[in-house]
Amino acid sequence: GAVVSQHPSRVICKSGTSVKIECRSLDFQATTMFWYRQFPKQSLMLMATSNEGSKATYEQGVEKDKFLINHASLTLSTLTVTSAHPEDSSFYICSASVETQYFGPGTRLLVL
Amino acid sequence: EDQVTQSPEALRLQEGESSSLNCSYTVSGLRGLFWYRQDPGKGPEFLFTLYSAGEEKEKERLKATLTKKESFLHITAPKPEDSATYLCAATGITQGGSEKLVFGKGTKLTVNP
Repeated sequence: GAVVSQHPSRVICKSGTSVKIECRSLDFQATTMFWYRQFPKQSLMLMATSNEGSKATYEQGVEKDKFLINHASLTLSTLTVTSAHPEDSSFYICSASVETQYFGPGTRLLVL
Repeated sequence: EDQVTQSPEALRLQEGESSSLNCSYTVSGLRGLFWYRQDPGKGPEFLFTLYSAGEEKEKERLKATLTKKESFLHITAPKPEDSATYLCAATGITQGGSEKLVFGKGTKLTVNP
């Protein structure tokens, strides 16, 4: 139980394009989903918290207009990186929470 | 500021050589202390949650313990498949007032056959 999926697992895009990442809780309903970013050999940094049907709450320093989060249902949240630039290249990981946070497998984004 | 510090950064063990990983935390109003395992290029896999000092939890060769200031992950007779980065996280509060996980940088464990 407590399986979280992410799609796509890897994406390469050109600078200036937008990329959407999906996060789904497959066997449970999550009241809250989280989006993290992880750089090589660094820890997970929380970007935003999203609750179903309401606006996401962003951590300090995270641009709301660049990282758009939609939490359409209790099992689906999406992160859209708008007008991506090379510095947005990173490993993006979502988690879904039901008392404990369960993580997806991550999405590797490379912006050329 | 909420902070989680893990040591050592990296640890190399021979198969069967037991050891411990340390996680110290300064989090106001701790709700839980979590251990995750992360393999390269993958998301963290949940291992344990500890809620109060003195609590212990075990899973196969792993045992997690908690005091008021730190947690230990004990690995008994490790095998090569235990090689991974072990992450410690404590609950803090987000900008919006809800709970969040504050992660340490992890301990990269390598177990040689």
